[in-house]
Amino acid sequence: DQQVKQNSPSLSVQEGRISILNCDYTNSMFDYFLWYKKYPAEGPTFLISISSIKDKNEDGRFTVFLNKSAKHLSLHIVPSQPGDSAVYFCAAESGGGADGLTFGKGTHLIIQP
Amino acid sequence: DAGVTQSPTHLIKTRGQQVTLRCSPKSGHDTVSWYQQALGQGPQFIFQYYEEEERQRGNFPDRFSGHQFPNYSSELNVNALLLGDSALYLCASSLAGYNEQFFGPGTRLTVL
Repeated sequence: DQQVKQNSPSLSVQEGRISILNCDYTNSMFDYFLWYKKYPAEGPTFLISISSIKDKNEDGRFTVFLNKSAKHLSLHIVPSQPGDSAVYFCAAESGGGADGLTFGKGTHLIIQP
Repeated sequence: DAGVTQSPTHLIKTRGQQVTLRCSPKSGHDTVSWYQQALGQGPQFIFQYYEEEERQRGNFPDRFSGHQFPNYSSELNVNALLLGDSALYLCASSLAGYNEQFFGPGTRLTVL
């Protein structure tokens, strides 16, 4: 039973446009959500996170939105740049850092020139 | 400021053998978590170590064990290797009480 789902295996976006990556979760105990970016042959790099007490968090070109009632979060990247091409993982956690992260399967974002 | 480091980078073993992977956390971090990432999947949580004790464990058999040392570095041991243990093994470090985990580059284990 997958508790964190990323239903789009891949997404292609033109350079300069907005990239929107989506994530759904089923476990209502999750109270913290994170996005990671992964290049081939590297470990995941932390991008941005959001607590369940917020509905939006912004950091430069990256914004994460959380809709608790729908159990849905999204990552917006504006404007998209060629270096953003990577696999993006959504992760969720409960327990204030004392638990492991539960990851989705990832979305491969391709930024086209 | 050194990030999370892991060794070795790659490893090839045969079925039935045992393997030990190593991890040094980011400076200032005291908690280490281990993950297994199979091809085309997201990382799966194996276990987490804090204060030299296993604090949480995911759905992995007892063949997977670990250790944390007083300097916060950690080892992951896998006994009786199976073909299905072939994967990228990721170590992540964090500071107790904080949610963000920071990952190392991983160790690619191939079991033949």
